[in-house]
Amino acid sequence: EDQVTQSPEALRLQEGESSSLNCSYTVSGLRGLFWYRQDPGKGPEFLFTLYSAGEEKEKERLKATLTKKESFLHITAPKPEDSATYLCAVQAIGNNDMRFGAGTRLTVKP
Amino acid sequence: GAVVSQHPSWVICKSGTSVKIECRSLDFQATTMFWYRQFPKQSLMLMATSNEGSKATYEQGVEKDKFLINHASLTLSTLTVTSAHPEDSSFYICSAALAAETQYFGPGTRLLVL
Repeated sequence: EDQVTQSPEALRLQEGESSSLNCSYTVSGLRGLFWYRQDPGKGPEFLFTLYSAGEEKEKERLKATLTKKESFLHITAPKPEDSATYLCAVQAIGNNDMRFGAGTRLTVKP
Repeated sequence: GAVVSQHPSWVICKSGTSVKIECRSLDFQATTMFWYRQFPKQSLMLMATSNEGSKATYEQGVEKDKFLINHASLTLSTLTVTSAHPEDSSFYICSAALAAETQYFGPGTRLLVL
């Protein structure tokens, strides 16, 4: 069965303090790994899709990387507006649906 | 692009009534739509997958007679919570995708059953 584990569960950073969020996964043939950002009371906002080990994608202060077992979401010099829950999800080959991790709740203090 | 809307954004109803939630893909045609529910401080739990013009596929443990899903067009899916009870109170979120591509999520509907 496909599994997604995110760590840490919660992370508190000072503004400007870079860090990384982890997403470990097991899947029977990875079609894609997805990162979303979710603000309280809102739907997830799409950030990145990664398809193969070694792939990297960047958007502003965020960079996502992928290996055969895990993905990292690196946050460089975060700002308070980066505070949100970051969700990781995997999609297996042949499936249309995704399995989500529990998320990492990020708080960035000014 | 890739905008998904939901209506209503929140609803309060009495126990025993039915509630319909609409999910629309505004700027693309979605071959597949998904319905999730999310409890406070928990992740998204997939309830069902629906393809336009065919019956929805429900996840294990989700009652298909209680959560009726209709996917009448490539831009509209509806979820009807029938005979709602307080334990159905939750945050319901839909997503839409073209084929097996990235899912784009709606803003969610908060349901409170009194």
